[in-house]
Amino acid sequence: AQSVTQLGSHVSVSEGALVLLRCNYSSSVPPYLFWYVQYPNQGLQLLLKYTTGATLVKGINGFEAEFKKSETSFHLTKPSAHMSDAAEYFCAVSLSNFGNEKLTFGTGTRLTIIP
Amino acid sequence: ETGVTQTPRHLVMGMTNKKSLKCEQHLGHNAMYWYKQSAKKPLELMFVYSLEERVENNSVPSRFSPECPNSSHLFLHLHTLQPEDSALYLCASSPLTGGELFFGEGSRLTVL
Repeated sequence: AQSVTQLGSHVSVSEGALVLLRCNYSSSVPPYLFWYVQYPNQGLQLLLKYTTGATLVKGINGFEAEFKKSETSFHLTKPSAHMSDAAEYFCAVSLSNFGNEKLTFGTGTRLTIIP
Repeated sequence: ETGVTQTPRHLVMGMTNKKSLKCEQHLGHNAMYWYKQSAKKPLELMFVYSLEERVENNSVPSRFSPECPNSSHLFLHLHTLQPEDSALYLCASSPLTGGELFFGEGSRLTVL
C-alpha cells in the first residue's frame, strides 16, 4: 500500500519569491512519484515525474522536485514565482511495478501568488 | 480536436434523474479512467478501462455505471444520485495503464 501527504492545503508566496510545496510519501516498494497541476476550471496536467535514475527532476514551467529516499519526500520547488503559477498542485505516488490503477493522489495544495 | 474532451462541462440534476457524462480522447490511447474530485479530498479513482475491458472498479456505488464502447469513448451513466455525489468528475487517458495521464477539463455535477 502507498500514501502521500501534502503539508499545507494553502500556500501564499510573493511574486518573484521561492515556491516550496511539500510532499511526503509512504510506499512498500520503490515508488514512482509525480506532481500534477490544476489551473482553474481545467483538468490536471503532469508537471514532472520521478521513476528511476537522477533524483533531481526538472519539469515544465521552471519547476523541479528532488526525490529524497531517506526523508521519504518529493518536495516541489521553483526559484521565482510568477502570477501564472497560481493553481492547485497535487503530489501522487504509484508502486513501481503497477500502472495508473494504483496511483494515489494527495489532497492538493492551493498556491496563491501575491503581486 | 485534440486531447481529452468531456461533455457536459456543467450538469445539474435531481435525485431521480438519469443522465450521462461523456468523454472522448483523440490521443490514440488504450486506457481510460473516471476520477471523482471533491473538495479537500484526494482524487478518487472510480473506474479504469484498458483496451475496452474494465480492469479496476474501486467499490463505486451501482448508481454510477460506466460504459466504454471503444478505446476513444468513455461514458459515466448516472441514476438516482445523492447530494453527496456532487463533485467534479474527471476523465483521463493514458497509452496503457502505465504512462502519463492526460486529463479532460472535467464535468461539474450538482445533485439537488
